[in-house]
Amino acid sequence: NAGVTQTPKFRVLKTGQSMTLLCAQDMNHEYMYWYRQDPGMGLRLIHYSVGEGTTAKGEVPDGYNVSRLKKQNFLLGLESAAPSQTSVYFCASSYSRRFTDTQYFGPGTRLTVL
Amino acid sequence: AQTVTQSQPEMSVQEAETVTLSCTYDTSESDYYLFWYKQPPSRQMILVIRQEAYKQQNATENRFSVNFQKAAKSFSLKISDSQLGDAAMYFCAYRRRSGGGADGLTFGKGTHLIIQP
Repeated sequence: NAGVTQTPKFRVLKTGQSMTLLCAQDMNHEYMYWYRQDPGMGLRLIHYSVGEGTTAKGEVPDGYNVSRLKKQNFLLGLESAAPSQTSVYFCASSYSRRFTDTQYFGPGTRLTVL
Repeated sequence: AQTVTQSQPEMSVQEAETVTLSCTYDTSESDYYLFWYKQPPSRQMILVIRQEAYKQQNATENRFSVNFQKAAKSFSLKISDSQLGDAAMYFCAYRRRSGGGADGLTFGKGTHLIIQP
């Protein structure tokens, strides 16, 4: 099992450009999450999904869109990147909301917006 | 909304000694979960230990244990016999148990743990 993978690992964008971050998991997990981590901060939830075809907003959703067309994939889109979106982005997944079901994290994507 | 506070931006401990990392949280929920995650320089988030709020017994995982004080809303992590591989950022995290509202974990800002040989 590859676990949770993220593509790309690094990216540099110019202000106003768009891009999509891909998260893939091969553990048949229902729940998937996107977080961002800024310097000196813990992770903050952007959007999440409780199953294929469903998404919901987290703590900091503005400027991002997501889609979950396939159970194993969760895409995070930036339509018009801004310097404030410079961050490290983490994807996570879990089988359910039960306590015993751990959230497994991907390795992160470092995004810089100039 | 719930908040998680880690008041120690950085801690340092000698190898083989014991260190305690502090975490407090604020919530109006009565049932929830608490976690400690480790993030080494590789950036990978690794679950260290977890605690269910309704369980009074403190969780332990080998050299890692917690001191959970529900009334005080405190959840500290004790690392015994510190090893060089324990050097990392440690994040305390909270998750409500009930459904509804935004799911996911709420994290503190982290404590940078330095292990001195």
